[in-house]
Amino acid sequence: EAQVTQNPRYLITVTGKKLTVTCSQNMNHEYMSWYRQDPGLGLRQIYYSMNVEVTDKGDVPEGYKVSRKEKRNFPLILESPSPNQTSLYFCASGGNTEAFFGQGTRLTVV
Amino acid sequence: KQEVTQIPAALSVPEGENLVLNCSFTDSAIYNLQWFRQDPGKGLTSLLLIQSSQREQTSGRLNASLDKSSGRSTLYIAASQPGDSATYLCAVRGGADGLTFGKGTHLIIQP
Repeated sequence: EAQVTQNPRYLITVTGKKLTVTCSQNMNHEYMSWYRQDPGLGLRQIYYSMNVEVTDKGDVPEGYKVSRKEKRNFPLILESPSPNQTSLYFCASGGNTEAFFGQGTRLTVV
Repeated sequence: KQEVTQIPAALSVPEGENLVLNCSFTDSAIYNLQWFRQDPGKGLTSLLLIQSSQREQTSGRLNASLDKSSGRSTLYIAASQPGDSATYLCAVRGGADGLTFGKGTHLIIQP
């Protein structure tokens, strides 16, 4: 079954404490990306990766890092989270074909 | 920069009605357009994908059309059911930099 798996699903953390949200796909897609979803603003792209070791900024990259060391994994790293990064985060997989999304990670930074 | 607009923002109709959701985009140079469904607090479920060379796609009671030159797509839902209640999102892919989403249509089907 085609799957994009994110972990954790829910996370509450404190300002400044580094965290990583993992994302893994089993479809051998080269393209992966991260989005955040906020009320009134919709879904906005944070970072994307066209292949292993190839990453680029999306529309709202400030405060985030990513890495792509293997094709199946694309973790999102918040080095020093702040309250304005409280949001619902989605990982997606798939390039010029159908995009598949993970179930989301609800992050709260206090 | 691509902009995607969805109209209406919210819609409430009685069960059984046929309905149309609209999506417009400003840059017609797209690879594809995808319609998603999102239930409250949940992930995105892909409904239909239309490649730029296609005019429409159908899946069950859903039919999506694409008019790339005018920058429009519609999602037609036939014989609506309460289980269709959700937010419907339209997204276009213009290139390597990923999907641009509309803000969605919040649909309620009254039993």
